Amino acid sequence: KAGVTQTPRYLIKTRGQQVTLSCSPISGHRSVSWYQQTPGQGLQFLFEYFSETQRNKGNFPGRFSGRQFSNSRSEMNVSTLELGDSALYLCASSLAGTGFRSPLHFGNGTRLTVT
Amino acid sequence: EDKVVQSPLSLVVHEGDTVTLNCSYEVTNFRSLLWYKQEKKAPTFLFMLTSSGIEKKSGRLSSILDKKELFSILNITATQTGDSAVYLCAVGSVVQGAQKLVFGQGTRLTINP
Repeated sequence: KAGVTQTPRYLIKTRGQQVTLSCSPISGHRSVSWYQQTPGQGLQFLFEYFSETQRNKGNFPGRFSGRQFSNSRSEMNVSTLELGDSALYLCASSLAGTGFRSPLHFGNGTRLTVT
Repeated sequence: EDKVVQSPLSLVVHEGDTVTLNCSYEVTNFRSLLWYKQEKKAPTFLFMLTSSGIEKKSGRLSSILDKKELFSILNITATQTGDSAVYLCAVGSVVQGAQKLVFGQGTRLTINP
């Protein structure tokens, strides 16, 4: 079974630009979550989608948004990029939800660098 | 505010040693505790614990949860250099109907040959 696939693997953007990251979950998984990982803050929850609906959202500004398509693939968008948005963005999928019924399976992430 | 604290933050041992990693938590409406191993990019799932006192085991790795004292440990016996990684603890909870997974800051384990 193929794992969680994230594209692109690396991105370099300048301040003020916007970026879209893509995630394809494991086949059959309907829940997709997004996390931001930085050396200082660790893994921070961004949002979770289940059956095309945002089910939960972390404490991030409105510049961070996402969506999920009918095939469970998900995209995350960051507008008006800031230097502090430089991070590894991880997508995770699970059968049912954010981990308490079935574990999350992570993709390799997208490394975003904002200059 | 929900909190997950791991200790130590960093650990360096020799191959063959046994290590114990700690995870304590304070969350509302606890549902599960998960351990992940992160080497380069993707954290890989190790264990999910929901009941106190029941040890989960996979090869040289084992983990147990104490829901009364609000902590879990991850044990690795006969360590190998391939065990070098960051080990992440995460706790799943439900708050106002919304599911939430909170991660600790991780323990960086280095195994020297």
